[in-house]
Amino acid sequence: NAGVTQTPKFQVLKTGQSMTLQCAQDMNHEYMSWYRQDPGMGLRLIHYSVGAGITDQGEVPNGYNVSRSTTEDFPLRLLSAAPSQTSVYFCASSRQANTEAFFGQGTRLTVV
Amino acid sequence: GENVEQHPSTLSVQEGDSAVIKCTYSDSASNYFPWYKQELGKGPQLIIDIRSNVGEKKDQRIAVTLNKTAKHFSLHITETQPEDSAVYFCAASKGYSTLTFGKGTMLLVSP
Repeated sequence: NAGVTQTPKFQVLKTGQSMTLQCAQDMNHEYMSWYRQDPGMGLRLIHYSVGAGITDQGEVPNGYNVSRSTTEDFPLRLLSAAPSQTSVYFCASSRQANTEAFFGQGTRLTVV
Repeated sequence: GENVEQHPSTLSVQEGDSAVIKCTYSDSASNYFPWYKQELGKGPQLIIDIRSNVGEKKDQRIAVTLNKTAKHFSLHITETQPEDSAVYFCAASKGYSTLTFGKGTMLLVSP
């Protein structure tokens, strides 16, 4: 049972480059979300989705895009990477609102 | 929006002691309060949660209490063990599973 799978685990980007962080879940969960974790800041919500075709912004959405074409996948796109986007990114899924969120192992991104 | 404050930021205890982590929230409409444990290099994992219609919940050595009037909730770990060492996050939500997290507490349990 894979749960929530994030790829890649590590990535180094140059300023201005673009990339996509992948997230897939095999639990048929409707709710998926992306968080970033910075030292001393906890986890902050970037974007979330309550079902295929539906996405919305979280607390820190600037510089990121998402789409949800299938229930399983929720990719996060960085359009033009900036050093301020250096962080650890976590994808999470849950069956419905106010239920356990299952997190992936994270992607550590460094922008130089 | 919701604001969750968590204290302390670090907590050191001896093995066998109890540990208490406290959180306050700002939005009285929040109704779901989970606690997550994050070990080094891993994603957070749910350890216990409580809903607003319950004042206390216990699971073996872990318990959570909720005071809706004061808008605070606490995590209690009894008989701590070295494997309890980790970062603990509280969170609050009022729907759509958009959790607002506290900034975390690093718990160190010394043998």
